[in-house]
Amino acid sequence: DGGITQSPKYLFRKEGQNVTLSCEQNLNHDAMYWYRQDPGQGLRLIYYSQIVNDFQKGDIAEGYSVSREKKESFPLTVTSAQKNPTAFYLCASSVTGSRINQPQHFGDGTRLSIL
Amino acid sequence: GENVEQHPSTLSVQEGDSAVIKCTYSDSASNYFPWYKQELGKRPQLIIDIRSNVGEKKDQRIAVTLNKTAKHFSLHITETQPEDSAVYFCAGQTGANNLFFGTGTRLTVIP
Repeated sequence: DGGITQSPKYLFRKEGQNVTLSCEQNLNHDAMYWYRQDPGQGLRLIYYSQIVNDFQKGDIAEGYSVSREKKESFPLTVTSAQKNPTAFYLCASSVTGSRINQPQHFGDGTRLSIL
Repeated sequence: GENVEQHPSTLSVQEGDSAVIKCTYSDSASNYFPWYKQELGKRPQLIIDIRSNVGEKKDQRIAVTLNKTAKHFSLHITETQPEDSAVYFCAGQTGANNLFFGTGTRLTVIP
């Protein structure tokens, strides 16, 4: 969906470095999500936010951090504590996380690799 | 929490044939089941979804069926075309909780 923009498309991380992945949406969606995708696996939830200034850990939050200071923005920081960060990272949003049956729409993803 | 299993992991069909992908879920309270198509290096795109009060839904060549008793749902693609080649993911959701995704099926349509 053109309303969800992830940047950069490709990112390289050096040892011990923190890197931040950007996710912006202009769909006026309340809920935003971050997923990690590894080859041969499905999407695993890292963090999600149902409303501004609030976020929750997903299934694999260790080594990651997020913030939700604005409705349209949900950046993900991959910290040096994440020992295996190489993956495809997908951001998604939905109308609201508090109502049932709301489809999620995805950005184009950021591919993160270790230098 | 919910656990969604998807089969097969790879599927090859001749152009024009049908393709069927099956998913099972563990939480009987799950009530929403979307299907996503992901082309190589691209974003997953929602192609069809079904809610638990419906047994079947169709959209042109794509259909999804849901069997709540057996806790499984399936994606059916008829008259497959080369552009249908992609990875397909099923997912399940319980109420306002998060989506749980299957591990994906790589579909190859052979011209």
